Amino acid sequence: SYVLTQPPSVSVAPGQTARITCGGNNIGSKSVHWYQQKPGQAPVLVVYDDSDRPSGIPERFSGSNSGNTATLTISRVEAGDEADYYCQVWDSSSDFYVFGTGTKVTVL
Amino acid sequence: QITLKESGPTLVKPTQTLTLTCTFSGFSLSTSGVGVGWIRQPPGKALEWLALIYWDDDKRYSPSLKSRLTITKDTSKNQVVLTMTNMDPVDTATYYCAHLGYNYFDYWGQGTLVTVSS
Repeated sequence: SYVLTQPPSVSVAPGQTARITCGGNNIGSKSVHWYQQKPGQAPVLVVYDDSDRPSGIPERFSGSNSGNTATLTISRVEAGDEADYYCQVWDSSSDFYVFGTGTKVTVL
Repeated sequence: QITLKESGPTLVKPTQTLTLTCTFSGFSLSTSGVGVGWIRQPPGKALEWLALIYWDDDKRYSPSLKSRLTITKDTSKNQVVLTMTNMDPVDTATYYCAHLGYNYFDYWGQGTLVTVSS
């Protein structure tokens, strides 16, 4: 089955840029989606189709995808961005949905 | 406005069958392209996709849990039901249902914590 690997944690100072990677075999050929999950809350979609943002998501959240790595970038990080982030793809070869291992973003 | 809400038991015993219901509003599961999925999250762990049902009653299951899962829909009641057999303490998790966008989950329920313990 398809595996998505994320770093367990990323630390960033307020105002700086956080980059969260999601690794998968030829992930650049798939559409990658990203979710933010704060403690005790349901996940929220923050980026879909590699780089599109749902309504209401700040422009500070952006995404890219190429080769074997997709990246979620959070610019001008704020304390409120502290959360767990998950990538997700639809594996067309098996018609399954796959989530990444998750990354905890800590704002210093 | 799309909303979803999970309901079901908070505690089940090992070997029992879990039945969870997702009641939704703001969309119809009889509309072409629509889907509803189930995702779970053990305490302190990552999200895990479980199952999905499409508007045409096509169904998909996680390969690792396929033998234990059944997903059904009742379009007239705007509900999707997930059953999981032979529950084990490792199945303790928060269970979410979610609306499927194109191939992502754009609206989620609040989740329901299910504990498996004797």
